[in-house]
Amino acid sequence: DAKTTQPPSMDCAEGRAANLPCNHSTISGNEYVYWYRQIHSQGPQYIIHGLKNNETNEMASLIITEDRKSSTLILPHATLRDTAVYYCIVQYSGGYQKVTFGTGTKLQVIP
Amino acid sequence: NAGVTQTPKFQVLKTGQSMTLQCAQDMNHEYMSWYRQDPGMGLRLIHYSVGAGITDQGEVPNGYNVSRSTTEDFPLRLLSAAPSQTSVYFCASAGEGSNYEQYFGPGTRLTVT
Repeated sequence: DAKTTQPPSMDCAEGRAANLPCNHSTISGNEYVYWYRQIHSQGPQYIIHGLKNNETNEMASLIITEDRKSSTLILPHATLRDTAVYYCIVQYSGGYQKVTFGTGTKLQVIP
Repeated sequence: NAGVTQTPKFQVLKTGQSMTLQCAQDMNHEYMSWYRQDPGMGLRLIHYSVGAGITDQGEVPNGYNVSRSTTEDFPLRLLSAAPSQTSVYFCASAGEGSNYEQYFGPGTRLTVT
């Protein structure tokens, strides 16, 4: 079973911020939260990851709650090219293990 | 860098045939994995490898074999294709130098008739 829970779909108006939630209530202390997105049928693309502090890069921001049981991916100014399926997963950053992808959130950016 | 490459892009097999899906990466990543994605579904892990000579099973390993003789290559073998193996197959790699973020290939669309 996936370790994360995400809403199946969301809409966002073009130019507005898209806030994608993820629940990971069973995350352990040394597991990171990673976000990927999959545009159409391409291979998934890494967006961002974090442990407990908020993170920002050129693509997005990641807000992790203090208890680390949930997080939010923020696309500050959504464009039509951000229409994709967004996956939130948890994994150890210090090594590799079986990584489970759920079904993600289908984000539709509306003109 | 070419990143992660997969061949072929498309393949049609008849039930019972065997074939090998190729995956290669040029980033010197120690970790490689194979996923399948069925329509409307997320990715399911088939097999993965943590280094040359080391492989392990994922969620859905039945009907597939892998080997890792070099760091660069991680082929996936279908032993006797079945219609249930019709899917899109993605290969991915990850390494310490990239914070273990996974780099995915473009995928192979396999149809088994």
